[in-house]
Amino acid sequence: DQQVKQNSPSLSVQEGRISILNCDYTNSMFDYFLWYKKYPAEGPTFLISISSIKDKNEDGRFTVFLNKSAKHLSLHIVPSQPGDSAVYFCAASAPNTNAGKSTFGDGTTLTVKP
Amino acid sequence: DVKVTQSSRYLVKRTGEKVFLECVQDMDHENMFWYRQDPGLGLRLIYFSYDVKMKEKGDIPEGYSVSREKKERFSLILESASTNQTSMYLCASSLSGRGVNEQFFGPGTRLTVL
Repeated sequence: DQQVKQNSPSLSVQEGRISILNCDYTNSMFDYFLWYKKYPAEGPTFLISISSIKDKNEDGRFTVFLNKSAKHLSLHIVPSQPGDSAVYFCAASAPNTNAGKSTFGDGTTLTVKP
Repeated sequence: DVKVTQSSRYLVKRTGEKVFLECVQDMDHENMFWYRQDPGLGLRLIYFSYDVKMKEKGDIPEGYSVSREKKERFSLILESASTNQTSMYLCASSLSGRGVNEQFFGPGTRLTVL
């Protein structure tokens, strides 16, 4: 039972346009969501997060939107840059879990073309 | 600058060998995690630890064990390596405390079991 799903394995956009990466979850206990970015031959790095008490969080070119009723979140990157080309993982956490562990999605490979 | 290091970037072992993967963090984090990353399967949690000598199974613990004798070090052990354990192994750490804290990842160890 995959609790966090990223249904698009890959996404290709033109430089300067918007990239939208989607993530769905099934566990209604999840209340904190994170996005990580991973370049080849490196470990993932934290990008942005959102708590379930919010529906939007913005950090520079990156905005995460949360729709709790639909159990859906999305990451918007505007404008997209070639350096944004990477694998993006969505992760979700439930409250009161030991170590604040997260459940990760399969990842979406974003390619931004110059 | 926070740092998570893993003992090897690449490792080749034979079926049946005992394999040790070491992870060290210098951030005084309480929580440490071991994941494996496989194409199309995202990051899957093997084991995690929220304190010295404390450990919990993740989603796929079979065939693995862990050791955490010191706060900064978390070891993953493959008691008898098998070919289906060929994968990218990622270690991560995070702070404990209020809410969920982002995880900091090491660069990964690509293990090949022949």
